[in-house]
Amino acid sequence: ETAVFQTPNYHVTQVGNEVSFNCKQTLGHDTMYWYKQDSKKLLKIMFSYNNKQLIVNETVPRRFSPQSSDKAHLNLRIKSVEPEDSAVYLCASSSRWGGVYEQYFGPGTRLTVL
Amino acid sequence: GEKVEQHESTLSVREGDSAVINCTYTDTASSYFPWYKQEAGKSLHFVIDIRSNVDRKQSQRLIVLLDKKAKRFSLHITATQPEDSAIYFCAASMGTGGYKVVFGSGTRLLVSP
Repeated sequence: ETAVFQTPNYHVTQVGNEVSFNCKQTLGHDTMYWYKQDSKKLLKIMFSYNNKQLIVNETVPRRFSPQSSDKAHLNLRIKSVEPEDSAVYLCASSSRWGGVYEQYFGPGTRLTVL
Repeated sequence: GEKVEQHESTLSVREGDSAVINCTYTDTASSYFPWYKQEAGKSLHFVIDIRSNVDRKQSQRLIVLLDKKAKRFSLHITATQPEDSAIYFCAASMGTGGYKVVFGSGTRLLVSP
């Protein structure tokens, strides 16, 4: 049963365009994450938010900017996409309460930059 | 920062055999070690985890071992079934909140009938 929702599923765009991806979780979790998974399946954390506060901001290009309106939503905007941004972007959520940190992942947004 | 190395990039076993996937980490402060499974065309889902206060944990056919001295942990899948075929990712994070989880590069497990 899906509890972490991502839109869109796929997005094809051209170099230099701006794109936005949305993520929503209905699990009541307080922490959300963005990961990038490349074509070799390597998974790298980009950002994590706890209760709308940015906690982890890995070394990602400045054209990437996360936005969180509340603890259930975390969006990702990419200004002026580049070919190396082609990847699957995975959103995840988890909860600190009860010491259970397992993450629940969304289905991903596959970005192709032409 | 933390680095997690996953030693087997691919692993092929016959149905019914055991499969072992090994990972090492670098940061002694890491205290939480989850494993995730990614089936073909799907996203990741959690399978099992272990914390640094124990050295063994079992959930049905999955066993995780942790050797803190060697900074090594492993996933053992016993009595493998074809539906175990997937990419398995190990990961490590520091316990507090687990905000930054560092993943290994993944092991593609193929279980043949």
